[in-house]
Amino acid sequence: DIQMTQSPSSLSASVGDRVTITCQASQDISNYLTWYQQKPGKAPKLLIYDASNLQAGVPSRFSGSGSGTKFTFTISSLQREDIATYYCQHHDNLPITFGQGTRLEIK
Amino acid sequence: QVQLVESGGGVVQPGRSLRLSCAASGFTFSDYGMHWVRQAPDMGLEWMALVSYDGSNKYYADSVKGRFTISRDNSKNTLYLQMNSLRTEDTAVYYCARDRHSSGWSRLDYWGQGILVTVSS
Repeated sequence: DIQMTQSPSSLSASVGDRVTITCQASQDISNYLTWYQQKPGKAPKLLIYDASNLQAGVPSRFSGSGSGTKFTFTISSLQREDIATYYCQHHDNLPITFGQGTRLEIK
Repeated sequence: QVQLVESGGGVVQPGRSLRLSCAASGFTFSDYGMHWVRQAPDMGLEWMALVSYDGSNKYYADSVKGRFTISRDNSKNTLYLQMNSLRTEDTAVYYCARDRHSSGWSRLDYWGQGILVTVSS
């Protein structure tokens, strides 16, 4: 199984800050990488697909980059409504696996 | 708009069975693969199972293979997860989710609200 390792596990930042989360795959997954946002008590929401493509309706302050084994998720200017846990997920093969999540808090 | 609504959760004793349903609306259900993903309390996301658009191909995580069965009824726009021989470690919120593609696997672009399954004596 491909292991997805996110860092950091938690992050505290101020409104307006630039926030970056990394996700490393245990083997080459090309660009088969998706980022999700999950707010407390809610279902995950797709934000970024194929490593760098913004899902329709998602604010442009969210972005993603990377390929192969190393990926980055960025919020260019943190807003209060971005408080959530963020997960990366690969779909290179089965089983699909998720990173352990990054909990984002407001400082 | 796309809607996925899970039902059938609850409290069940270890070793017993439960069947979850996921009612789909707002899209052509028979055009998409469908997944089940679960989340144990205060834990991360764990993929469980995938069924192709026509039900002909099914895939499972090792942790549930032989115990859980994914199926679909395209005439009823409904996805199912039959869970047998339940264990305490199966306690989780279970989500159904749509795959962006009809066969194979890709990103999960829409998710249900989730349904809680508690396995406890």
